[in-house]
Amino acid sequence: SQTIHQWPATLVQPVGSPLSLECTVEGTSNPNLYWYRQAAGRGLQLLFYSVGIGQISSEVPQNLSASRPQDRQFILSSKKLLLSDSGFYLCAWSVAGPIQFFGPGTRLTVL
Amino acid sequence: TQLLEQSPQFLSIQEGENLTVYCNSSSVFSSLQWYRQEPGEGPVLLVTVVTGGEVKKLKRLTFQFGDARKDSSLHITAAQPGDTGLYLCAGGPDYKLSFGAGTTVTVRA
Repeated sequence: SQTIHQWPATLVQPVGSPLSLECTVEGTSNPNLYWYRQAAGRGLQLLFYSVGIGQISSEVPQNLSASRPQDRQFILSSKKLLLSDSGFYLCAWSVAGPIQFFGPGTRLTVL
Repeated sequence: TQLLEQSPQFLSIQEGENLTVYCNSSSVFSSLQWYRQEPGEGPVLLVTVVTGGEVKKLKRLTFQFGDARKDSSLHITAAQPGDTGLYLCAGGPDYKLSFGAGTTVTVRA
């Protein structure tokens, strides 16, 4: 069965510190992978998507970056976090068509 | 980016009542998706509607896609506390799915 993992589940980081969030999927091959950010109780903002290893498309200019070193691994990073980076980060995947599965999310608080 | 507006923003009803939430846009969509999200979790896909005028039923949930494929509605019959959550509609190109801001539904026992 298809499964998607994200870690850590929660993270509290000081302003200016680096960030690395990891997402892995199981039970599928060649998925399209996505990173979304959600403000408290609100809709989702697409940050990055990837259609294959090493292929990253950025949707929003920011101090975040993404990488896909393996087919089923997607990493979200930052060299220096800002207060505005706080939010709920969701990884998702699709194969053909719209997003079918979201991960459990990472709650990031930047202080 | 294709904008999706959802209304109402918040909805609180008593168990057993009916409710309808709306998703509107000025853009035409090839398909629209509805998701439900519970606090602290990722959204879960409920349904995809693809044909103008289409009606899909999922137990007590009825989804309708507008004839012009610019809007959609979700109707819940005899709501239960388990229906509580944030309901999100989404549409657009598969790689660039846009989400509405959502409707927070609270069903009181």
